[in-house]
Amino acid sequence: DAEITQSPRHKITETGRQVTLACHQTWNHNNMFWYRQDLGHGLRLIHYSYGVQDTNKGEVSDGYSVSRSNTEDLPLTLESAASSQTSVYFCASSESGSGRAGEQFFGPGTRLTVL
Amino acid sequence: GEDVEQSLFLSVREGDSSVINCTYTDSSSTYLYWYKQEPGAGLQLLTYIFSNMDMKQDQRLTVLLNKKDKHLSLRIADTQTGDSAIYFCAEKAGNNRKLIWGLGTSLAVNP
Repeated sequence: DAEITQSPRHKITETGRQVTLACHQTWNHNNMFWYRQDLGHGLRLIHYSYGVQDTNKGEVSDGYSVSRSNTEDLPLTLESAASSQTSVYFCASSESGSGRAGEQFFGPGTRLTVL
Repeated sequence: GEDVEQSLFLSVREGDSSVINCTYTDSSSTYLYWYKQEPGAGLQLLTYIFSNMDMKQDQRLTVLLNKKDKHLSLRIADTQTGDSAIYFCAEKAGNNRKLIWGLGTSLAVNP
């Protein structure tokens, strides 16, 4: 069955370190998204991609970067981790096109703690 | 800009019906979605409705859409303790591939 996976599921790091969160989907979806979820803020979009070599900034992109070298993967990098980036991170993917509902499918999340 | 609003909390007794409400502002919405998030898990798509429909039923779930008032609701019949979760409403405007999300409604089911 097609799925979307994230790794690691839990990560503790120190302020200033670079961290990369992995996202891999086997749906063959064009669209991939990274969100962070914080109490009181719901889901906030960090970065998104509509295809290979395409990346776009979301509403909370400062301090984060992504790259899309293939259809399946969209790794999220925190260049220099800050305590404000302690959060739960979700990756999602969707397909688009005529007649499609465009629903997003989510990974299980990565809980990141920055000390 | 586009906005999706939901009440933050709802508490019901086991066996009762739950109704979770959502309002949105974008009149060009094409699809509206309901997702469920259980503790420690990702979001799971429950159902979605196309904007030219006013109702969709799927087992215990009934979605009602009032386009004139830009109001969406999710009714869960015979609510069970396993329905305790956060429920998110989201909309897709036109051909936009991004979704606009509500903050989520935390449903507590009391035995």
